[in-house]
Amino acid sequence: AQKVTQAQTEISVVEKEDVTLDCVYETRDTTYYLFWYKQPPSGELVFLIRRNSFDEQNEISGRYSWNFQKSTSSFNFTITASQVVDSAVYFCALSEANSGNTPLVFGKGTRLSVIA
Amino acid sequence: DTGVSQNPRHKITKRGQNVTFRCDPISEHNRLYWYRQTLGQGPEFLTYFQNEAQLEKSRLLSDRFSAERPKGSFSTLEIQRTEQGDSAMYLCASSGPGRAGYGYTFGSGTRLTVV
Repeated sequence: AQKVTQAQTEISVVEKEDVTLDCVYETRDTTYYLFWYKQPPSGELVFLIRRNSFDEQNEISGRYSWNFQKSTSSFNFTITASQVVDSAVYFCALSEANSGNTPLVFGKGTRLSVIA
Repeated sequence: DTGVSQNPRHKITKRGQNVTFRCDPISEHNRLYWYRQTLGQGPEFLTYFQNEAQLEKSRLLSDRFSAERPKGSFSTLEIQRTEQGDSAMYLCASSGPGRAGYGYTFGSGTRLTVV
């Protein structure tokens, strides 16, 4: 069975600090996709990144970066120089890839508060 | 705008009443998913469709819940005899044909409050 664990329930940082959100996943599939979503107070889920299981290259997008390590089944997310607008709940999610888009399995989320 | 649309945005109902939510996916997307999100939790999968066929139902989907997607377009989620434990945000998402892992788009959700 698939499972996503986000051990950090809440994190508070001061603006401009770097912060890393942890994600550990479990799956028996060899082909899968990993995602990060942001959920601001307004409630909608905002897509941040998608990574397939065959691509372990780290990715950087502006202040965001992602570290995918299959050896430890982790897909961690780092925000550099955090800003107040980064305050939100962040979800890591996993889907199989064997037969099209199977339903996403989400972690419980990490609530990030960035204090000015 | 061709995003995923959910109606209503908010619904308050008395315990025991029936409610129905609607989701209009992105028009070219063939898969449609329903999730439930309670306070402080991640979205939990309820059910999903490929075109009009319901492919999978979660054990969370009790007999009081039913979902349909007639003609493979919009979908409805009905909850009969609502209970206070049904209070949650109900999210709909859709995804298109093609390579797996691409194109999940979420709607803004319907927040249900059962009083």
